[in-house]
Amino acid sequence: EDKVVQSPLSLVVHEGDTVTLNCSYEVTNFRSLLWYKQEKKAPTFLFMLTSSGIEKKSGRLSSILDKKELFSILNITATQTGDSAVYLCAAGQNAGNMLTFGGGTRLMVKP
Amino acid sequence: ETGVTQSPTHLIKTRGQQVTLRCSSQSGHNTVSWYQQALGQGPQFIFQYYREEENGRGNFPPRFSGLQFPNYSSELNVNALELDDSALYLCASSLGPVYANTGELFFGEGSRLTVL
Repeated sequence: EDKVVQSPLSLVVHEGDTVTLNCSYEVTNFRSLLWYKQEKKAPTFLFMLTSSGIEKKSGRLSSILDKKELFSILNITATQTGDSAVYLCAAGQNAGNMLTFGGGTRLMVKP
Repeated sequence: ETGVTQSPTHLIKTRGQQVTLRCSSQSGHNTVSWYQQALGQGPQFIFQYYREEENGRGNFPPRFSGLQFPNYSSELNVNALELDDSALYLCASSLGPVYANTGELFFGEGSRLTVL
């Protein structure tokens, strides 16, 4: 059965801290690993990773994929209160039309 | 704003009732995917509609059914509601099925269903 597991379940940090969120996956015919930010309702897309070892960056956020060890990390540097959200990772498959999501990591950034 | 709109935003039903949730896809998108997100969990794939036909289904019973209309909007119907059906139901649209597991999948704000 396809599975995506995220850790930690939740995290509380202070503004300015750096956080690392983890995502491991076991998915047949793996194609892509996606990260989303969910603040209230609609998940908003952050990154899609398909190749191992190539870091993707967007401002203070970055992510990398390891297809040998079947995991990805999402780093957030210099955290701000606006980063408080649930972060979801999801795996997509070749010839597939759905995403398999992990349970999410709830991040709270305190002032 | 993704251009994907869902209605209603919130609703409360009692066990055994039936519910219909609606979704308008982003302009130009012909594929709609539905996900169920229980509290504290990640979204789970229910099914996808493409060209008015079901195009893949997750591990959900037949009392979860759907429709897609010629304008690509979609409905999710749930019969014989159970307490465990309480969740956020997310609709997502894409340009085609092959984009439905890429960064080209756009989510609506969801419909929060509470079953009492």
